[in-house]
Amino acid sequence: GENVEQHPSTLSVQEGDSAVIKCTYSDSASNYFPWYKQELGKRPQLIIDIRSNVGEKKDQRIAVTLNKTAKHFSLHITETQPEDSAVYFCAASGRYSTLTFGKGTMLLVSP
Amino acid sequence: GAGVSQSPSNKVTEKGKDVELRCDPISGHTALYWYRQRLGQGLEFLIYFQGNSAPDKSGLPSDRFSAERTGESVSTLTIQRTQQEDSAVYLCASSLGGPREQYFGPGTRLTVT
Repeated sequence: GENVEQHPSTLSVQEGDSAVIKCTYSDSASNYFPWYKQELGKRPQLIIDIRSNVGEKKDQRIAVTLNKTAKHFSLHITETQPEDSAVYFCAASGRYSTLTFGKGTMLLVSP
Repeated sequence: GAGVSQSPSNKVTEKGKDVELRCDPISGHTALYWYRQRLGQGLEFLIYFQGNSAPDKSGLPSDRFSAERTGESVSTLTIQRTQQEDSAVYLCASSLGGPREQYFGPGTRLTVT
C-alpha cells in the first residue's frame, strides 16, 4: 500500500519567514495530494491540494509543488503569521480514493 | 449548509465495554471515511464506504472494530471489548467520492479506563 513520509516533525520560524514542509510517497499510481491544517483541538481542514497533472499550485501565501518523477511534494508558506501555527498533514490518494496521511508537522510561528 | 457531525463528542468507557460512535455526513456525499488519531499522532485510516459498493475495511486494526453505513447516510463505528490502546479521537469524513477534498467532522474523543 501507499506510504507517506513527512518532514520535519516540528518547525519553528519567526513571523514573516517562510516555512517549507516536505513529503514523499511510495505509490506511483497516487494522483491527488492534499494538505490539511489542524489547529489544536479542531478538525483537519483542507488548505490546498494538487493533482498529478500539475506541477505547482498557489493560493495567496500558500503554494504546493509536486515532483512526480521523484515522488515528492512540498508545502510552502510565505510571510508566516502567528495564526499559521498548527499541525500540517500531507496526504496522498491513489486509485481507491482513500487518503494515506503523513505523521504531521507542528509549525510554530513566533511573533 | 450543515457540515459533518459526530456523536458523542466525548465518550469515557471501561475496558471491556462496547462503544458505538456515530457519523452524519454532508447530505449528498457518497463517500464516507473513518480515521483514528492518537494523541499527537497522524490520521490512521480505518474504513471507507463508497455508495453501495462493499466497504474498504483494510485499515481496521482488529476484528473488534466494525462499521456500518445505511445507504448514503449515517454511519456507525463499533468497537467491541474496548482496550486502553483504543483511546483516541475518532474522526469521520465525507466527500463526493473519488480523490477530492474530504470534509471532517469534529471527532469523538474516546477514553478507555
